[in-house]
Amino acid sequence: KQEVTQIPAALSVPEGENLVLNCSFTDSAIYNLQWFRQDPGKGLTSLLLIQSSQREQTSGRLNASLDKSSGRSTLYIAASQPGDSATYLCAVSGPNAGNMLTFGGGTRLMVKP
Amino acid sequence: NAGVMQNPRHLVRRRGQEARLRCSPMKGHSHVYWYRQLPEEGLKFMVYLQKENIIDESGMPKERFSAEFPKEGPSILRIQQVVRGDSAAYFCASSLDRDTGELFFGEGSRLTVL
Repeated sequence: KQEVTQIPAALSVPEGENLVLNCSFTDSAIYNLQWFRQDPGKGLTSLLLIQSSQREQTSGRLNASLDKSSGRSTLYIAASQPGDSATYLCAVSGPNAGNMLTFGGGTRLMVKP
Repeated sequence: NAGVMQNPRHLVRRRGQEARLRCSPMKGHSHVYWYRQLPEEGLKFMVYLQKENIIDESGMPKERFSAEFPKEGPSILRIQQVVRGDSAAYFCASSLDRDTGELFFGEGSRLTVL
């Protein structure tokens, strides 16, 4: 059974810092990995999607890497801003599982001005 | 192009009542997924539906919960005889294809059981 763990559970940084969020998964036979952002009381916004054959994806100040063999992914946020404050969720889908995702518990990020 | 629409956004029910949560997928999407987020817990997959078919319901509780996605109209998640432990945020997501990997989520329906 796939398990996804995110470390740290919470993170507080001053504005402008570069930071790394970690995600690990127990079964390396994944189809893809996604990073989402969730604001309080809101839904999920997809940030980056990495197919199992890819090593990384970039969007603006965000860069996500995937090391499938070791069961790890990192989300790098450059030059953090207060508007980046949210919960970041990592999710994987298994082979033949299509879009049925297994989520990690999330990292709650606070960027202080 | 409207996103995934869920209603109601907030629902309060007393124990023993029924809760019906509705989800309209993005235009052109025929794959719908329901996830539940219990307080202080991560999101858990519940059920995957295509039009008129339940494809995978491995995450659905065995009793009281049911889901449908009729040919016309929204997908509905139905919870009968609600209990306090059903209090959670229920999220619906849709996708264009089964294996694109890209899910679009609604803003969720927050159920409170008194």
